[in-house]
Amino acid sequence: EADIYQTPRYLVIGTGKKITLECSQTMGHDKMYWYQQDPGMELHLIHYSYGVNSTEKGDLSSESTVSRIRTEHFPLTLESARPSHTSQYLCASSPVGNEQFFGPGTRLTVL
Amino acid sequence: GENVEQHPSTLSVQEGDSAVIKCTYSDSASNYFPWYKQELGKRPQLIIDIRSNVGEKKDQRIAVTLNKTAKHFSLHITETQPEDSAVYFCAAIGGTGKLIFGQGTTLQVKP
Repeated sequence: EADIYQTPRYLVIGTGKKITLECSQTMGHDKMYWYQQDPGMELHLIHYSYGVNSTEKGDLSSESTVSRIRTEHFPLTLESARPSHTSQYLCASSPVGNEQFFGPGTRLTVL
Repeated sequence: GENVEQHPSTLSVQEGDSAVIKCTYSDSASNYFPWYKQELGKRPQLIIDIRSNVGEKKDQRIAVTLNKTAKHFSLHITETQPEDSAVYFCAAIGGTGKLIFGQGTTLQVKP
């Protein structure tokens, strides 16, 4: 079934660790996005990509990086996690028609 | 810059009453306006959208209206039910092709 998948769904790690949040979509979409969201609050765009080898920073300053080597895969990496990174991270993708489909999210807690 | 303002931030109604959420946008070139519903602990999901060549769109108990001259659009939910309780986000496509989200409205429907 065409969908967006995120792993892990929950992650608890210590300060200073390097982590990668995975996002894959089987919908064939060119555009992909990463959002940071505290529960029930605003969606903050942190990175986006309009295709392979294309990545841009979003509106929220972030210490994370992304890569887009394959159309279906858009991982987010934090080189050194801090307690301020504790949040939910949502991946999304969209076709040319602009509707965005969201993944289930990764809840990150940094101790 | 591109901006979407959403009001109110919280809304409480009695079951069976109507609920209205309003958004204004800044980019006059915006031509796509989706609404997302996010239930507690779930991913945002599209519930209705409208394009700039249409003034109103309806789907059962929900409707969206668009006033391009005034640059605002609204979500109307009639005959509200407890399962309508959620956070609702409006959005507008910006000049860069990114979706710009509003701040969100927490709707509580009291039985």
